[in-house]
Amino acid sequence: QSVLTQPPSVSGAPGQRVTISCTGSSSNIGAGYDVHWYQHLPGTAPKLLIYGDYNRPSGVPDRFSGSKSGTSASLAISGLQAEDEADYYCQSYDNNLSGVVFGGGTKLTVL
Amino acid sequence: EVQLVESGGGLVQPGRSLRLSCAASGFTFDDYPMHWVRQAPGKALEWVSGISWKSGRIGYADSVKGRFTISRDNAKNSLYLQMISLRPEDTAFYYCARDMNPYTSGWYVLDYWGQGILVTVSS
Repeated sequence: QSVLTQPPSVSGAPGQRVTISCTGSSSNIGAGYDVHWYQHLPGTAPKLLIYGDYNRPSGVPDRFSGSKSGTSASLAISGLQAEDEADYYCQSYDNNLSGVVFGGGTKLTVL
Repeated sequence: EVQLVESGGGLVQPGRSLRLSCAASGFTFDDYPMHWVRQAPGKALEWVSGISWKSGRIGYADSVKGRFTISRDNAKNSLYLQMISLRPEDTAFYYCARDMNPYTSGWYVLDYWGQGILVTVSS
């Protein structure tokens, strides 16, 4: 059981917008720790998509956006493209565990 | 260009030991905290361990505490993970990753990752 809860899967047609939720608790997201998002194809290096709740690293398209409220965060992907098909993970810090925590991952399927 | 290259993986029997290495280049290694993250087959990413820039702060996931030891050699631009008493559930791709925030004992976000190295624990 992951500390941060994500839906196992989401899907959308090309051009559509999808959102992926990430629910935590008072010891991580609710404690004010930032949320970060990664895109991952198994067997390859995960790629940082969003850091500090809503910031995009250089080179990440503005189709990707992040938000946070209370004990939850969300990743939105607009203008879906076939190349967006991947696993997406949220990540934060947990002060009870004194360590980095990940969500269980969400598989995005582009229909 | 930041590069992180893991080595030392392979097939090992349950109860045995293995040492992973991560060679870093393209940035001032001494300045950054570093982490190990793993992904078991069909499972999510799992943080394994982290070490601050001067090794003053070290942390482990409960699943590996007491069995794994993280260390770094700043003179060699290298990160290590010594794994003992390995179990079949330790089978995973192991990734070396850099923390974005330099000069800190805190852990924040992992901005660069290696390609990963496979560790298989099986008899």
